[in-house]
Amino acid sequence: AQSVTQPDIHITVSEGASLELRCNYSYGATPYLFWYVQSPGQGLQLLLKYFSGDTLVQGIKGFEAEFKRSQSSFNLRKPSVHWSDAAEYFCAVGVLYNNNDMRFGAGTRLTVKP
Amino acid sequence: DGGITQSPKYLFRKEGQNVTLSCEQNLNHDAMYWYRQDPGQGLRLIYYSQIVNDFQKGDIAEGYSVSREKKESFPLTVTSAQKNPTAFYLCASSSENQPQHFGDGTRLSIL
Repeated sequence: AQSVTQPDIHITVSEGASLELRCNYSYGATPYLFWYVQSPGQGLQLLLKYFSGDTLVQGIKGFEAEFKRSQSSFNLRKPSVHWSDAAEYFCAVGVLYNNNDMRFGAGTRLTVKP
Repeated sequence: DGGITQSPKYLFRKEGQNVTLSCEQNLNHDAMYWYRQDPGQGLRLIYYSQIVNDFQKGDIAEGYSVSREKKESFPLTVTSAQKNPTAFYLCASSSENQPQHFGDGTRLSIL
């Protein structure tokens, strides 16, 4: 069964600084990878997804993520963080043709300092 | 605008009481899901339904029940058998091989 690890529980960055959130997955075949963002008391919003093709995927709000098969990673990046990016970020791995079997990481909470 | 509506936003349960959380979607998605979210644990799947009148248990179905009588609706009942129901509950839906869309959640607390 697939699983996801987000090694960082909490990250603090200064506004304008670059950001990288780590995600490692475990899955035997080609994974279907996602990043979601959650503001306090809200649902999850999809930032980006990877299924196949170009390993660098662009998402909404200026985020991008890179799939590295050799490292089983799908790290999320943003070149310049805005105060409004403060939220919780979840990495998830799914299985093609079986959307019922998505696994979510425990999340990384991002704090943005002025 | 299409989306998923969960109600109520906040819900309180007394000991021994069943409560039902509502989830409605107008995205014409076939599949719907219920997740439980606890701090530091990510999301855990309670139940899912791929088609009307059919649903399957997820990883933590004990103490919960669901129904899927209409494509648009997938209510979750938290029964008195669920001994630790305090959590944030999220409903999601998806079409085939597409990412799940989420509602804004219901926070359930015990009185």
